[in-house]
Amino acid sequence: QKEVEQNSGPLSVPEGAIASLNCTYSDRGSQSFFWYRQYSGKSPELIMFIYSNGDKEDGRFTAQLNKASQYVSLLIRDSQPSDSATYLCAALTGGFKTIFGAGTRLFVKA
Amino acid sequence: SAVISQKPSRDICQRGTSLTIQCQVDSQVTMMFWYRQQPGQSLTLIATANQGSEATYESGFVIDKFPISRPNLTFSTLTVSNMSPEDSSIYLCSGGQGSLGGGVTEAFFGQGTRLTVV
Repeated sequence: QKEVEQNSGPLSVPEGAIASLNCTYSDRGSQSFFWYRQYSGKSPELIMFIYSNGDKEDGRFTAQLNKASQYVSLLIRDSQPSDSATYLCAALTGGFKTIFGAGTRLFVKA
Repeated sequence: SAVISQKPSRDICQRGTSLTIQCQVDSQVTMMFWYRQQPGQSLTLIATANQGSEATYESGFVIDKFPISRPNLTFSTLTVSNMSPEDSSIYLCSGGQGSLGGGVTEAFFGQGTRLTVV
């Protein structure tokens, strides 16, 4: 069973702090990894994708991938109340299917 | 990035009836997928919509219950057949481009269809 595991949270951080979201995956054949943000009642929105080991930065977001440890993370710098949402980690498996984690709820306190 | 228009956005249906959900992409995409999301849960893949051929279903989902069409690279439908209250959920389509080199595939979602079966 191919799985993507996330801490369901909630994760609470003060405004301006760094939010760190973590994810592990079981399928070593996974090729690409995605972070989606989902506001309540809305569809998931792609924030970042990463497929090479190391860090990838886009604005306030940094995705980190460690394939040896089967670990993906998302850092949100200078967190804002508008970042409060559920963050879904997803892995593209060798079968070209995307498996989603259960999501981590993030609360950014003003 | 491409935009997917999904409709209806919500519906309330009687048990035993069927509902067809449509997704239209504003550009050609290699792949389209259908997901279900129960309240407070993550996304569960129902099937991969294949252009011009039968969809590929995940374990627990069958064609008779969830027939899918994909006549071209920009359009797909999912039908929820013979509905029961257990089918109440949010249904989402997604699409994207991909490559075996690990490029982005599912990058965008439709707005979702909130289905309530009574």
